[in-house]
Amino acid sequence: DVVMTQTPVSLSVSLGGQVSISCRSSQSLVHNNGNTYLSWYLQKPGQSPQLLIYKVSNRFSGISDRFSGSGSGTDFTLKISRVEPDDLGVYYCGQGTQYPYTFGAGTKLELK
Amino acid sequence: EVKLLESGGGLVQPGGSLRLSCAASGFTFTDFYMSWIRQPPGKAPEWLGVIRNKANGYTTEYNPSVKGRFTISRDNTQNILYLQMNTLRAEDTAIYYCARLRGNYFDYWGQGVMVTVSS
Repeated sequence: DVVMTQTPVSLSVSLGGQVSISCRSSQSLVHNNGNTYLSWYLQKPGQSPQLLIYKVSNRFSGISDRFSGSGSGTDFTLKISRVEPDDLGVYYCGQGTQYPYTFGAGTKLELK
Repeated sequence: EVKLLESGGGLVQPGGSLRLSCAASGFTFTDFYMSWIRQPPGKAPEWLGVIRNKANGYTTEYNPSVKGRFTISRDNTQNILYLQMNTLRAEDTAIYYCARLRGNYFDYWGQGVMVTVSS
C-alpha cells in the first residue's frame, strides 16, 4: 500500500496568517496515464470530509483561491493564506493513483 | 445538487452482519464510480472499495483489509449504493461514508452512518 505521511500533526495559526501542510507518499503518485492523483480534504468538526484540491493543484468548485496545492512525484504541499475561522479542522491528503486508495493521518489546524 | 444519504448503521454483535445503504440524487448515478470509506473515531479515513460505472461494467475493487468480508453493490434503478458487511469485528467500529468518485478523487461525501460492533 502507498503510505501517506503528513506533517505536522497539528498547527496553530492566527487569523489572517498563512500555513503549509506537507504530504509525502511512499511511492510516486504519477499514474500510468501521466496524471498525479493527489488530493486534499478538510474535515470540519462534526462533518464529513470535503474536497479542496484534486490532481495536486486544482481547486474544487467553490473553493477559495486562498487554498493552493503544489508538488510532484512523492512530495506535496497545501498552503492556506489569510486563514479564516471556517478553515479550522483536520486536513487530509489522499492518493488515488494506486489501489488501495490511502489517506494521510491528518493535520489539525487550530487557532493560536 | 448532489446528495448522498447513508442509512442502516447501528449496534451489531461481533460475528454479525449489517447492510448499509446510500441513496444518491442530483446526478446520473450510472455515470459514476462510487466508493465506501470508513473512519474510526478520531482516526483517518480508510478506503474500503469501489464499484465502477455502467461504462466499466459495474466491476469492483476492494481494500485487502476487508476483501472477502465486505461486498459493494448498487441498484441502478433506484440509485442506491450498498455495503454488505459480514463477520464483523470490534475494529470495524467506525463512521461509514459513501462517496462519489471522479477522476480518482472523492468529490462528494455523504454525512456518514455509525456502525458499532460490540457485545
